Amino acid sequence: NAGVTQTPKFQVLKTGQSMTLQCAQDMNHNSMYWYRQDPGMGLRLIYYSASEGTTDKGEVPNGYNVSRLNKREFSLRLESAAPSQTSVYFCASSLQGAPTEAFFGQGTRLTVV
Amino acid sequence: SQQGEEDPQALSIQEGENATMNCSYKTSINNLQWYRQNSGRGLVHLILIRSNEREKHSGRLRVTLDTSKKSSSLLITASRAADTASYFCATASNSGNTPLVFGKGTRLSVIA
Repeated sequence: NAGVTQTPKFQVLKTGQSMTLQCAQDMNHNSMYWYRQDPGMGLRLIYYSASEGTTDKGEVPNGYNVSRLNKREFSLRLESAAPSQTSVYFCASSLQGAPTEAFFGQGTRLTVV
Repeated sequence: SQQGEEDPQALSIQEGENATMNCSYKTSINNLQWYRQNSGRGLVHLILIRSNEREKHSGRLRVTLDTSKKSSSLLITASRAADTASYFCATASNSGNTPLVFGKGTRLSVIA
């Protein structure tokens, strides 16, 4: 049982380049999330999708876009990467929103130079 | 802004000792959850305590919740070197389908 799978695991981008982080879950969860983790800052929510067909901004959405492609997949796109977006990105899913436990992927370590 | 704030930021103890981490939050909650993160890995759910519960146990973990003080504590008894990790509290609000909000975490080091 794979759980939540993120790709890629590592990525180096030049300033201004674009990329898409992929996330897929096989647990039939309704809700999916993208967080970023920076040293000393804990996890901050970028975007979430409470259910298929809906997306909402989190605490730090600027510079990002998301697509809930179907129930399984939730992608995060950086249109024009900036050094401030250097971070570790985590995708998570839960059965139905916050009251249930969240399952996390292994993370994508992104460096923007 | 982040809901939960863990205290202390870092904790170093000897193997066999107990480790206590605290979490304070700001608004009313549906439940509070604790997660563990090993270095370079994703977060793993440890335990969930609902707002109408005061204490919950799971193996060597004991969680308490005081909604009047808006605080929770995580106790790990008889710690092991393998418990070395960062621990995060996360709160789930009462309002609809809003996501979990995480604190900044406590980094626990257990020295063998």
